[in-house]
Amino acid sequence: LAKTTQPISMDSYEGQEVNITCSHNNIATNDYITWYQQFPSQGPRFIIQGYKTKVTNEVASLFIPADRKSSTLSLPRVSLSDTAVYYCLVGDFGSGNTGKLIFGQGTTLQVKP
Amino acid sequence: DVKVTQSSRYLVKRTGEKVFLECVQDMDHENMFWYRQDPGLGLRLIYFSYDVKMKEKGDIPEGYSVSREKKERFSLILESASTNQTSMYLCASSPSRGAQYFGPGTRLTVL
Repeated sequence: LAKTTQPISMDSYEGQEVNITCSHNNIATNDYITWYQQFPSQGPRFIIQGYKTKVTNEVASLFIPADRKSSTLSLPRVSLSDTAVYYCLVGDFGSGNTGKLIFGQGTTLQVKP
Repeated sequence: DVKVTQSSRYLVKRTGEKVFLECVQDMDHENMFWYRQDPGLGLRLIYFSYDVKMKEKGDIPEGYSVSREKKERFSLILESASTNQTSMYLCASSPSRGAQYFGPGTRLTVL
C-alpha cells in the first residue's frame, strides 16, 4: 500500500506560485499519482494526474522525480479562489485490480490578499 | 463533461433504519467508488466496483454493503444505520485506468 504524506497546511499570497509536495515512499510500479482540489461541502475536483517526469495542463503542473517516491503539485499565480484542500492520491486503477486506494490527509491551502 | 449524480444532498435518518444512497454516472466508466469524509480523517474508501456485480472492500467496509446491477449505478446500503455513520458520503467513477470524478456528496445525519 502506497501511503501518502502531505503538509497539513500552507499559506500563500495572491499571485505567488505554490508548490505542494506529497511523499509516497512505497509507490508500486503500476501506481499513478493524482491530485484533487476540494472546496467545503463539495466533492473533490480532479486537477492533474501523472506517472513520471512532468505533466502540465491549463491549471497546474505535476513534477515526479525518477524514483517516484514523491511528487510536487505546482499552482502558478494563485488567487483567492484557490483556497481549498488539496489531496494527493496514489493507486492503480486498472480493471480488475483489487488494490486499495489511499488518499492523503490533504493540504489546506490558504491564499491571502 | 463527466457527470456523477447522487440521489440526495442531505438526508436525515433514525438509528436502525435501512438507508440507500444512490449514485449514477453517465460516462460508461468501469470503476465506481464510495467514500466517506469526516473532519480530520480525510476521505476513506468504503467499497469500490470495477465491473457490474463485482465489488471489493475498501478501508472501512464494516456496516456497509453495496450493489451494482447496472454499469452506471452504484448503491451504498446501510443495513441498520448507527449514529457513527453520520458523515459526508461521496461517490466517484473512473475509466479503467484514469482519474476519478466525484459527485456532489450526500450529507447523512443519523439520529
